[in-house]
Order: sequence, then structure tokens, then C-alpha cells
Amino acid sequence: KAGVTQTPRYLIKTRGQQVTLSCSPISGHRSVSWYQQTPGQGLQFLFEYFSETQRNKGNFPGRFSGRQFSNSRSEMNVSTLELGDSALYLCASSLLGQPNQPQHFGDGTRLSIL
Amino acid sequence: AQTVTQSQPEMSVQEAETVTLSCTYDTSESDYYLFWYKQPPSRQMILVIRQEAYKQQNATENRFSVNFQKAAKSFSLKISDSQLGDAAMYFCAYRSEFSINTNAGKSTFGDGTTLTVKP
Repeated sequence: KAGVTQTPRYLIKTRGQQVTLSCSPISGHRSVSWYQQTPGQGLQFLFEYFSETQRNKGNFPGRFSGRQFSNSRSEMNVSTLELGDSALYLCASSLLGQPNQPQHFGDGTRLSIL
Repeated sequence: AQTVTQSQPEMSVQEAETVTLSCTYDTSESDYYLFWYKQPPSRQMILVIRQEAYKQQNATENRFSVNFQKAAKSFSLKISDSQLGDAAMYFCAYRSEFSINTNAGKSTFGDGTTLTVKP
């Protein structure tokens, strides 16, 4: 069974640009969560999607948005990029997003803002 | 809001020895789940072990075991017979009992402990 796939692996952007990251969950998994990982802040929850609906959202500005498609694939978009957005963005999938179900993580997308 | 604290930024262990990584958490909830994840330099976060708060028995997965002390809100990970492949950053994570409005799909992570295994 294929794992969680995130593309691209690396991305370099400049301030003010926007970026879209993609995540394909494990087949059959319907819940997709996004996390931002930085050395200073650790892993911070961004949002979670289930059946094309955002069910939960972390404390991030509105520049961070996402969506989920009918095949459970998810995209995350960041607009008007800032230097502080440089981070590893991790996507995690689980069957239904329930707390007793472990989250399966992708390799992440390393975003660097110049 | 729940918080997770890992007080050891770095730990080292000799190959074949045993090491314990600490984790404490703060919550007012009675039902929740705790996890240990491993993130090697290759970056992919991998589940190591899981503990349900309602279970008194400590979880065990091969060389990995936990010491879950619910009253003390402590959840430490013990790695026995350490191997070179155990070198990684280890994260402790908390998940609330399901609440669609506030907790769906969300884990709260500690800052991680970097484990070095010496040959």
C-alpha cells in the first residue's frame, strides 16, 4: 500500500508570492491534516479536512488555506508569502480522523522563502 | 488547551543499552490518546507506539515500551537494546477524544528529543 505522498519535496519562493502544496493520502483514508514544522515552534497544526470539508483549523492567518477533493487528495495554499513561512510542511492522513487512529505522515515539503 | 512538554532536547545512548525519553502533558480531559512518533533524518514521521488513557496497562511494541502515569500526566518511552537505526528525533503527541468542532484530525506535539546512538 502506497504511503502518503507530498509534492513537491522542495520549493523556493520569494516574499509576496503564493504557493500550493499537494498531498495524496493513503488509499482509503479520508482525513487529511496539515502541520507546519519549524525549529522554533515545533509542529503546529494548520487544519484538517474530511470528505471535502474543513473540520478543524489551527491558529494561522487567513493566508493559509486548503481544500480537499473528492478522491481525498488535499492541497494547501499560502498567499503573500513571508520569510517566517519558511518551514517543513507535513501532511498526515488517517482513516476517519478519529483520535484513536494514528496519523500517517508524508515526507513533507520543504518551503524556503527568500 | 492541551500542552505537551519534552524536557530533554537531546539524549544519547550506547548501542545495545537502554534509554528513556520523557514526556509530560497538561490536560483537563479524562479520555485521550498518547503517541510516540519517530522522525529520522529522512524526515518521514513514523508511529512508534500508542497508549489509550483508559487503559492502565502500559503499551509495548517489541523493543519499545511506555511508562504511562495518568495521575502524574507522564508518558515516557523506553527503548531497549538500542540500535543505530533508532537514531532520530522522537516526538510525543496528544490527541483529545473526538470532538468534531475543535479536535478533529489534530495532534498536539512536544518539541521533540533528538536521540543519538553511539556504536
